[in-house]
Amino acid sequence: DTEVTQTPKHLVMGMTNKKSLKCEQHMGHRAMYWYKQKAKKPPELMFVYSYEKLSINESVPSRFSPECPNSSLLNLHLHALQPEDSALYLCASSLPGAKNIQYFGAGTRLSVL
Amino acid sequence: QQQVKQSPQSLIVQKGGISIINCAYENTAFDYFPWYQQFPGKGPALLIAIRPDVSEKKEGRFTISFNKSAKQFSLHIMDSQPGDSATYFCAAGRSGGSNYKLTFGKGTLLTVNP
Repeated sequence: DTEVTQTPKHLVMGMTNKKSLKCEQHMGHRAMYWYKQKAKKPPELMFVYSYEKLSINESVPSRFSPECPNSSLLNLHLHALQPEDSALYLCASSLPGAKNIQYFGAGTRLSVL
Repeated sequence: QQQVKQSPQSLIVQKGGISIINCAYENTAFDYFPWYQQFPGKGPALLIAIRPDVSEKKEGRFTISFNKSAKQFSLHIMDSQPGDSATYFCAAGRSGGSNYKLTFGKGTLLTVNP
């Protein structure tokens, strides 16, 4: 089983809203990732959590706030987003000994109005 | 030095033909080279991957060829089917330490005509 589950599948929010994206995996992976993907572009890394600790923040604006409550869950809290933040947000996970073998979820399609 | 260059940007192949997508990298520290397949509205799915100690890896109709001296690797899809129509991304990464990043190519949109 290589399933990474993301909810919701679609999200529409206004620029003053607060919302959260959720990611879950039960593969025993201890590294979890958030990516942003614009249309016809490759995924861009945003954050990496390793053993529930933030390992990488790719200079992402503070209106995106990640959280890793436990080894199976990863959240991305959204606040005061801009229309240009509209994109597909992807979660991925990997085993500690195989960091580059990343398995992606189906993503959340976010539209900011 | 972190770039992975992917070509072509788009590719149209007839059903039953061979699809070939090429990637080139610069950073010789890369030691893991996966290919991802992405359908519209879905996340990328790991298709096949190779490490530089082998020159070729085959899984079903999909084959990766790796040329370490030229710093190039390619994906061959044999007997291409309409269901293979998707965007393909090559990537490169470094194992060991805290190297979590994958460097992606810009993607190839493959269309297989029936």
